[in-house]
Amino acid sequence: GAVVSQHPSWVICKSGTSVKIECRSLDFQATTMFWYRQFPKQSLMLMATSNEGSKATYEQGVEKDKFLINHASLTLSTLTVTSAHPEDSSFYICSARGGARPSTDTQYFGPGTRLTVL
Amino acid sequence: GQQLNQSPQSMFIQEGEDVSMNCTSSSIFNTWLWYKQDPGEGPVLLIALYKAGELTSNGRLTAQFGITRKDSFLNISASIPSDVGIYFCAGRPQGGSEKLVFGKGTKLTVNP
Repeated sequence: GAVVSQHPSWVICKSGTSVKIECRSLDFQATTMFWYRQFPKQSLMLMATSNEGSKATYEQGVEKDKFLINHASLTLSTLTVTSAHPEDSSFYICSARGGARPSTDTQYFGPGTRLTVL
Repeated sequence: GQQLNQSPQSMFIQEGEDVSMNCTSSSIFNTWLWYKQDPGEGPVLLIALYKAGELTSNGRLTAQFGITRKDSFLNISASIPSDVGIYFCAGRPQGGSEKLVFGKGTKLTVNP
């Protein structure tokens, strides 16, 4: 149980285009989903927290108009990188949590999406 | 912001050896989680700890939630080559938001 999928697993795009990444909880309802960014050899950096049906909460320094997050259902959240530039190239990972306390503290991660912007 | 001090930063061991790594914090945590991340993959949950003093095993892995609620350790017994990877501790601070705080990771290399 507690499987989270991400699609696509990798994507290469041209500068100026937009890219959408999907995060799905396959066998549980995720009340909250999180989006992280990870640079090589570094830990995970939280970008935003999204709750189903409400606006995402972005971390300081993360442009909400650049990284659009939609959490339309309890099993799906999407991250859209708008007008991507080479500096947006990174490994993007989502996580999802759900269920009853205390296990709601536990986040289950997707396999990640490698974005390369040319 | 809050930080977790994870050590060691890296370890090089021989197959069959036991491994121990830990995380400490200056503040109290309500939950401790241990994840393993392979290159190009997302972190995989190994062990979740929810109560102070809790000792939990998952195969050759054992983790404990420190009594002071400010630390946790992860032990791996009889290491094998597939244990190679980066291990992250994470926790939810007491009174904090739903966000997790992550350690910087321990890179484990196992020599066959």
